[in-house]
Amino acid sequence: QITLKESGPTLVKPTQTLTLTCTFSGFSLTTSGVGVGWIRQPPGKALEWLAFIYWNDDRRYMTSLRSRLTITKDTSKNQVVLTLTNMDPVDTATYYCAHSVGGLTLIDNGFDYWGQGTLVTVSS
Amino acid sequence: DIVMTQSPDSLSLSLGERATINCKSSRSVLYGSNNKKYLAWYQQRPGQPPKLLIYWASTRESGVPDRFSGSGSDTDFTLTIDSLQAEDVAVYYCQQYHSTPWTFGQGTKLEIK
Repeated sequence: QITLKESGPTLVKPTQTLTLTCTFSGFSLTTSGVGVGWIRQPPGKALEWLAFIYWNDDRRYMTSLRSRLTITKDTSKNQVVLTLTNMDPVDTATYYCAHSVGGLTLIDNGFDYWGQGTLVTVSS
Repeated sequence: DIVMTQSPDSLSLSLGERATINCKSSRSVLYGSNNKKYLAWYQQRPGQPPKLLIYWASTRESGVPDRFSGSGSDTDFTLTIDSLQAEDVAVYYCQQYHSTPWTFGQGTKLEIK
């Protein structure tokens, strides 16, 4: 049974760095083809993909936020960490992590398991 | 970046009716090596994370009722929900995963009259 859970601060100040942790079970990021992505959703708005890390450490980022994003993995702890620097109120959103499986490409069939998400508010 | 545009933005139908949601990509999402269209559909019920319904444009995820079906060409896609039920009230999103940055549509809100 695959589960993912996001954790981190619920409130950050503008200009601070956000660090979110995705702790998962039921799969390993050492298994060929497995990946974990981060997706966010501002209140009342659409989903927005942010970053992705593959089992072989291939990493991809959203173009417009690339300079502010870093994704890493700790396979011994079954965790994926996302950092987003220089937070702004427009970064207020629910942040989700999600599992995927690839082979021919990084993702073969979308994000099939999602965490419940964590709401991060940016305010002074 | 590939832009995904959904229509309509919202839909209000009666129980038992059929819902049709469209999604258009600004470029082809057909992957030539396996002839698959890298397009997924998600359902997001109020207060819940998204749930994968369809991938490769027309393949139902395990456990998804066969009332849900997907179809489309290389750039124009449709999610059809037959015999609407109360539990189908949700926002539906399409997503292309053909090339990064992976992008979502703006969502279509489905309500029951």
